[in-house]
Amino acid sequence: EDQVTQSPEALRLQEGESSSLNCSYTVSGLRGLFWYRQDPGKGPEFLFTLYSAGEEKEKERLKATLTKKESFLHITAPKPEDSATYLCAVQGGGGSQGNLIFGKGTKLSVKP
Amino acid sequence: DTAVSQTPKYLVTQMGNDKSIKCEQNLGHDTMYWYKQDSKKFLKIMFSYNNKELIINETVPNRFSPKSPDKAHLNLHINSLELGDSAVYFCASSQRGPGTGYGYTFGSGTRLTVV
Repeated sequence: EDQVTQSPEALRLQEGESSSLNCSYTVSGLRGLFWYRQDPGKGPEFLFTLYSAGEEKEKERLKATLTKKESFLHITAPKPEDSATYLCAVQGGGGSQGNLIFGKGTKLSVKP
Repeated sequence: DTAVSQTPKYLVTQMGNDKSIKCEQNLGHDTMYWYKQDSKKFLKIMFSYNNKELIINETVPNRFSPKSPDKAHLNLHINSLELGDSAVYFCASSQRGPGTGYGYTFGSGTRLTVV
């Protein structure tokens, strides 16, 4: 069964304090690992897709990396506007009928 | 110019009623989905609909039924609403079907409250 576990559940940072969010996964035939950002009262907003171990992608202060068992979302010098819940999801080729399977998210709060 | 739009945004209704949530996408995507986000913010797949093929998550009660009049629309009908159906429901779409490596674009959600 495809599974995603995210840690920590919640993370509080001071503005400028860099950190990382973890996403551990098990999946049958990885088709993609996805990172989304969700603000309160809104739908998930796409950030990155990673397809194979060793791949990295960057966008502004965010950098996502992928290994065969986990992905990290690194946040460098965060700002208060980076506060949100970050969701990780995997898509496999067999289990879960190939749908996106989400973790429970990491709620990030960045204080000025 | 919303890519995936859902209506209504909020829905409050009594137990036992039947209700519908509408979803439309203007991205030209092949596949549409419904997800349920519970009170703990956990997103779970309910349905995927691709080229008239419906795939149902086995845990979804048969009181829930998706209806797709065309490729751009996937509505969700819920019969005999129960208190446990209270949640936020998200519609999503993707360029190709499940398992093809394409990400999903989500709507802004419909908060359903059953009283």
